[in-house]
Amino acid sequence: NAGVTQTPKFQVLKTGQSMTLQCAQDMNHEYMSWYRQDPGMGLRLIHYSVGAGITDQGEVPNGYNVSRSTTEDFPLRLLSAAPSQTSVYFCASRRDRAHHEAFFGQGTRLTVV
Amino acid sequence: AQSVTQPDIHITVSEGASLELRCNYSYGATPYLFWYVQSPGQGLQLLLKYFSGDTLVQGIKGFEAEFKRSQSSFNLRKPSVHWSDAAEYFCAVVRADKLIFGTGTRLQVFP
Repeated sequence: NAGVTQTPKFQVLKTGQSMTLQCAQDMNHEYMSWYRQDPGMGLRLIHYSVGAGITDQGEVPNGYNVSRSTTEDFPLRLLSAAPSQTSVYFCASRRDRAHHEAFFGQGTRLTVV
Repeated sequence: AQSVTQPDIHITVSEGASLELRCNYSYGATPYLFWYVQSPGQGLQLLLKYFSGDTLVQGIKGFEAEFKRSQSSFNLRKPSVHWSDAAEYFCAVVRADKLIFGTGTRLQVFP
């Protein structure tokens, strides 16, 4: 039972490069979210989706793009990486609007140099 | 506006001592509240949750939390801490259908 799977686990980018962080869940959850974790700031919501084809911005969306073409996948795109995007990124999924418990992936540690 | 406040950034306790981690929320309606734990290099694991009903909720690993509406608090407790409890703990609340986290409390356990 895989749950929420994130790839890669680690990534180093140069400033200005683009990349996609992958997130997949096999629980048929409607809701999926991306968070970034920075020291002293907890987890902050970047983007979220309440179903295939529906996405919305969270607290810190600038510099990131998302799409949700299938229920299972919710990739996060960095369009032009900046050092301020150095962080640990977590993907989470939730069954639906009535179920608030979130399940998290293991995280992607991204360093932008 | 900050929805969840964890006033303690870092707490150190001796193994076997009791533990209380503080969480305060700001939300008008009855909140959905959670405590998550993050071990080093790992993702977040749900410890316990409160939606309604009994204000004292039991979770995994011997943790419990008490919802106090009058104090807008949802403090996490454990009567006897084990060295394996060393981790970072996050309180979270559902606001506008989104899960909002506090800044976390790092727990260090001395033998």
